[in-house]
Amino acid sequence: DAMVIQNPRYQVTQFGKPVTLSCSQTLNHNVMYWYQQKSSQAPKLLFHYYDKDFNNEADTPDNFQSRRPNTSFCFLDIRSPGLGDAAMYLCATSRDSQGGYEQYFGPGTRLTVT
Amino acid sequence: AQKVTQAQTEISVVEKEDVTLDCVYETRDTTYYLFWYKQPPSGELVFLIRRNSFDEQNEISGRYSWNFQKSTSSFNFTITASQVVDSAVYFCARRGSYGGSQGNLIFGKGTKLSVKP
Repeated sequence: DAMVIQNPRYQVTQFGKPVTLSCSQTLNHNVMYWYQQKSSQAPKLLFHYYDKDFNNEADTPDNFQSRRPNTSFCFLDIRSPGLGDAAMYLCATSRDSQGGYEQYFGPGTRLTVT
Repeated sequence: AQKVTQAQTEISVVEKEDVTLDCVYETRDTTYYLFWYKQPPSGELVFLIRRNSFDEQNEISGRYSWNFQKSTSSFNFTITASQVVDSAVYFCARRGSYGGSQGNLIFGKGTKLSVKP
């Protein structure tokens, strides 16, 4: 029944060591989003893909990159994680990036940077 | 920026009490969409409801009800007869009708609800 799947659920990485988080969906939605959520804060949008079109938020650090090899999968790459990048990373999907389509979220990956 | 304000940071109630979570939004759009999401301790954001700006009818779903009032730019959420399982952080969010950044979800800061037995 799982619709948006994120792996792993918990990830520990070392300061400066590249890490990749994975998201997959069974909804066949056009749009996939990556959010960063720090403790007691609202989710913050990093970027999203509409099909293969990548849309970066203006304040997303260059350290964060994304790939979407096909409709079902999307990856978040953190090239050189810093201690400030420790957070919950949420993947979401939506049928469209316009209008009233709700976003469906995965369970998140909690990233720890040591 | 067109904000979403959830003035209540934390609310604590005893089981079976009714509780209302407030949400006030700003927008210059004539067409927009409002959402409520629930985030239990497990971390997953669960979609609860969407409301279109042109539909001010209130909605009830079981113990949940939503009161949308354009005149006060509010979209409040009431849980009747609260239960321990309702304990979570609740986010109100707004989305514009167009693409680009206007199509992004703008979240409030969330209200943490604790329901004690």
